[in-house]
Amino acid sequence: SYVLTQPPSVSVAPGQPARITCGGNNIGSNSVHWYQQKPGQAPVVVVYDDSDRPSGIPERFSASNSGNTATLTISRVEAGDEADYYCQVWDSSSHRGVFGGGTKLTVL
Amino acid sequence: QVQLVESGGGVVQPGRSLRLSCAASGFSFSGYGMHWVRQAPGKGLEWVAIIWYDGSKKYYADSVKGRITISRDNSKNTLYLQMNSLRAEDTAVYYCALPRRGDGGGYFQHWGQGTLVTVSS
Repeated sequence: SYVLTQPPSVSVAPGQPARITCGGNNIGSNSVHWYQQKPGQAPVVVVYDDSDRPSGIPERFSASNSGNTATLTISRVEAGDEADYYCQVWDSSSHRGVFGGGTKLTVL
Repeated sequence: QVQLVESGGGVVQPGRSLRLSCAASGFSFSGYGMHWVRQAPGKGLEWVAIIWYDGSKKYYADSVKGRITISRDNSKNTLYLQMNSLRAEDTAVYYCALPRRGDGGGYFQHWGQGTLVTVSS
């Protein structure tokens, strides 16, 4: 089965950029989606289809996907961005969803 | 607006069964494949199952295959998850999720608030 690998944690100072990676075999050939989850809440998509942002998500959130790595970038991190972030793909060959293990973003 | 409301969670003994429900509103339920996703306490998200818009096809994660059945009643706009032979490792918050695409693929645009299932003796 397809595996997505994320770093368990990323720490960044306020105002600095945060980059969260998601590794997978030839992930660049898949559409990657990113979710933000705060404690006690359901996940919210912040980027879909590699680099599109839903309405209401700040422009500070961007993403890219190429080769074996997808990356979520949060420019100018704010305290309110502290959360767990998950990447996800849809494996259309097996009709299964796949999530990365999640990355806890800590704002120092 | 889209609403997904899960119910049916609770404490259940190992080996017993439980059925979760997800009441959907605010969109054309019968036009979308639907998913269940779970999250064990302190752990990451795990995709569980998908059911086609008409119930004709169902796919499961290996971890639950043979023990869990996804179903739907389009006349009631309700999604179900029948869980049998429950194990401690099934303890999790269970979310129903609406995908962006009608065929069920892509990303999960809307999520319910989740219902907690605790498997413990």
